Amino acid sequence: NAGVTQTPKFQVLKTGQSMTLQCAQDMNHEYMSWYRQDPGMGLRLIHYSVGAGITDQGEVPNGYNVSRSTTEDFPLRLLSAAPSQTSVYFCASGTAKPYGYTFGSGTRLTVV
Amino acid sequence: AQKVTQAQTEISVVEKEDVTLDCVYETRDTTYYLFWYKQPPSGELVFLIRRNSFDEQNEISGRYSWNFQKSTSSFNFTITASQVVDSAVYFCALSGYDNNNDMRFGAGTRLTVKP
Repeated sequence: NAGVTQTPKFQVLKTGQSMTLQCAQDMNHEYMSWYRQDPGMGLRLIHYSVGAGITDQGEVPNGYNVSRSTTEDFPLRLLSAAPSQTSVYFCASGTAKPYGYTFGSGTRLTVV
Repeated sequence: AQKVTQAQTEISVVEKEDVTLDCVYETRDTTYYLFWYKQPPSGELVFLIRRNSFDEQNEISGRYSWNFQKSTSSFNFTITASQVVDSAVYFCALSGYDNNNDMRFGAGTRLTVKP
């Protein structure tokens, strides 16, 4: 029972590089989201999806892109990494009703 | 817009003390859900409790208890007889009642329990 799986766990990027953070869940959850965690700011919503083919922006979407081609996968793309995107990224999934999320273990991203 | 405020950035207690973590929220919704999550030093986020806005009964689970007061827009979390293993960052969160679309988190309170 894997739950929510995020890869990679750690990543260092150079400014301007692009990359994709992977997120997969095996609980058949409709809802998936990406958050970033920064010191003193809690978790901030980047993008979310309420089902395959449906995505929308959260609180801090700039510089990130998402797609949801299957129920299981919800990758987050950094188009041109910037030092301000240095953060810990969490993927979460849940049912359509807000009964509480299941979070992945996080990806620590450093942009130099 | 929804907003969650956790005014206590850090709290330090000695083992066996009781500690209360404060959470104040703002929302224009008449129905909503409130949550608490725990983030231990290992970094994962662990769901602790969900409370809907219809139910103002306090909840107790072992050493943990939650006090929801709609009149003051607060959802405080108390740990009784704290233990070292309770050391973590605790997040309060708020979401709409009908969907998961916009769950907002507070900035978190770092609790350190010293032996």
